[in-house]
Amino acid sequence: KNQVEQSPQSLIILEGKNCTLQCNYTVSPFSNLRWYKQDTGRGPVSLTIMTFSENTKSNGRYTATLDADTKQSSLHITASQLSDSASYICVTSRGYNKLIFGAGTRLAVHP
Amino acid sequence: NAGVTQTPKFRILKIGQSMTLQCAQDMNHNYMYWYRQDPGMGLKLIYYSVGAGITDKGEVPNGYNVSRSTTEDFPLRLELAAPSQTSVYFCASSVTGESTDTQYFGPGTRLTVL
Repeated sequence: KNQVEQSPQSLIILEGKNCTLQCNYTVSPFSNLRWYKQDTGRGPVSLTIMTFSENTKSNGRYTATLDADTKQSSLHITASQLSDSASYICVTSRGYNKLIFGAGTRLAVHP
Repeated sequence: NAGVTQTPKFRILKIGQSMTLQCAQDMNHNYMYWYRQDPGMGLKLIYYSVGAGITDKGEVPNGYNVSRSTTEDFPLRLELAAPSQTSVYFCASSVTGESTDTQYFGPGTRLTVL
């Protein structure tokens, strides 16, 4: 079954600290993997996208990694800010118009 | 550009009522999508459109209808609302339907059916 599982479900960190969010997928065939950020009450916004041949991609303080062999991805946030408080959604693709969304990790950054 | 806009932001319906969720985009994107997001679950595709006059079912189309008369607008119609349709609905658009193409999402409509 094509699935995307994210961990942890929720996370609280202090401002300035780093954190890593995990994503495991069982999607096949696999095309690419994307991380979205979703602020409360807003729609998701794309952070990074990686194809199966890429193993890392950065966007400012956000760095995503991909291990296509183990079917795992992570999103590392460096020097967290209060504005990083949001849900982070891992999305994989089996191809054209076939996106599979994870349930997300809810991150709270406290001062 | 306003991007993808959705109205209303919130709505409460009684069982059996009907309503239309509005979605518009001003980026001249060919592809448009409707998703629903239930608590603790990933987004599920309801319907999508590859251009004006062309629509197709997604993963969870039952209880919904769509139309695409213009490139800009993609309304979602709920007939005979049921409690199971309580959810947050997101409209999105993209230039192409390729999985590497970024989908741009609207702010969502929170619907409660009582």
